[in-house]
Amino acid sequence: GAVVSQHPSRVICKSGTSVKIECRSLDFQATTMFWYRQFPKQSLMLMATSNEGSKATYEQGVEKDKFLINHASLTLSTLTVTSAHPEDSSFYICSAAKRDSRQYFGPGTRLTVT
Amino acid sequence: TQLLEQSPQFLSIQEGENLTVYCNSSSVFSSLQWYRQEPGEGPVLLVTVVTGGEVKKLKRLTFQFGDARKDSSLHITAAQPGDTGLYLCAGAGSNDYKLSFGAGTTVTVRA
Repeated sequence: GAVVSQHPSRVICKSGTSVKIECRSLDFQATTMFWYRQFPKQSLMLMATSNEGSKATYEQGVEKDKFLINHASLTLSTLTVTSAHPEDSSFYICSAAKRDSRQYFGPGTRLTVT
Repeated sequence: TQLLEQSPQFLSIQEGENLTVYCNSSSVFSSLQWYRQEPGEGPVLLVTVVTGGEVKKLKRLTFQFGDARKDSSLHITAAQPGDTGLYLCAGAGSNDYKLSFGAGTTVTVRA
C-alpha cells in the first residue's frame, strides 16, 4: 500500500496567526515529500520539495520564511503557514515519494484565513 | 521548468459517449502519470507510463505514451457519471522526483 494522510483536513484561522499542516506516509518511508497548493478549478502548483534531514528546496516565488517546512522523519513532513493572510487561503496538498519515484498524494487541507 | 499542455480544459459529454484528453510537451519525460481528482480530495494515481509508444488499459480507460515520450493521451470509452472529475497529467524528469503538472481537464459526464 501507499497511504498518505494529512491533518487537519480543514482549518480556519484568523489573519496574522500561524497554522501547521502535517503530512504522514502511513505504510512506507519517504525520503522526499512535496508540498503543493491548488486554487479552485486549477492544477497543482509545486511549492517546495522536502527532504528528510535537510532543508527544503523552494520553487521560485515561494517565500521560505512564510511557508516553513520541516521534514523531521521518514514519515512526517510539516508545513507551517506563518502570519497567514486571506490570500493564503487555498487547498494545500502533500505527496510522498517511494523509492521508485512514484508520488502518492494526501487528501489535502483546506485553509481559510479570515 | 518542463511545461505540459493539457487539452481540452473542459469537457462535458452525455453518458455512453467517448472522450479523449491530450497532454503535450516539447520536453521529453522519463515517465508520465495520469491522476483523477474529485473536489476537496487529493489526486489519485490512475496509471504511470514509462516506455515510448506504450499503451495501458484500465477497464474503460486507455492511456498512450507518445513514441518520443513528449505527449500522452487518455481515452475513456462509454463514459459514466462516475468518471466525472478533474484529470491531471504529470511528467517526471530523469534527475529528480519532481512532477510537472498539466493545467487539468474537468470532465463532466451527464446521466
